[in-house]
Amino acid sequence: DAGVIQSPRHEVTEMGQEVTLRCKPISGHDYLFWYRQTMMRGLELLIYFNNNVPIDDSGMPEDRFSAKMPNASFSTLKIQPSEPRDSAVYFCASSFRNSPLHFGNGTRLTVT
Amino acid sequence: AQSVTQPDIHITVSEGASLELRCNYSYGATPYLFWYVQSPGQGLQLLLKYFSGDTLVQGIKGFEAEFKRSQSSFNLRKPSVHWSDAAEYFCAVGATNAGKSTFGDGTTLTVKP
Repeated sequence: DAGVIQSPRHEVTEMGQEVTLRCKPISGHDYLFWYRQTMMRGLELLIYFNNNVPIDDSGMPEDRFSAKMPNASFSTLKIQPSEPRDSAVYFCASSFRNSPLHFGNGTRLTVT
Repeated sequence: AQSVTQPDIHITVSEGASLELRCNYSYGATPYLFWYVQSPGQGLQLLLKYFSGDTLVQGIKGFEAEFKRSQSSFNLRKPSVHWSDAAEYFCAVGATNAGKSTFGDGTTLTVKP
């Protein structure tokens, strides 16, 4: 099993640009989560899906953030327009039912 | 609301010494408790979990944790630390769905030779 795969590993962009982060969960997992990690705020849950349906997006900071899961093997997190305060490491994680999370290696986003 | 407190931001131990990382939680019902480890540039990896039953749980890499309901604690222990254990450790508490877990702020472990 390849684990949760995220791309890109690093993203550097200018303020105002659109950023798209991608995630491929572990095959067979029915939950998918997007987290953001910063020194100031720690690990924050942004949104999670169950069977491709968004269940809780209360952690999404503002309307500039959106997430989709068009099928069981792919999800995106989009920021448009990006701002310097969005700089963070974004993690995708997946799980099966009540099992603990399997995390990807993250995308380090830098917005200048 | 659920919350997790990891009182120690940074801990330094000598290689071969014992380790205990503290975790206190607040949760209205019987909690699901987890410890994860994060190495630099990596995602979090599950060390161990407690759902029910025996309050002393064994995990990977020689780690164990003990659930103490009376103290609302779930401390992580290892009898002899190895240099490769240097990493950041996160305690988390959740309901039935592990993904809704609330994470602590983490404890960074440094291992001295």
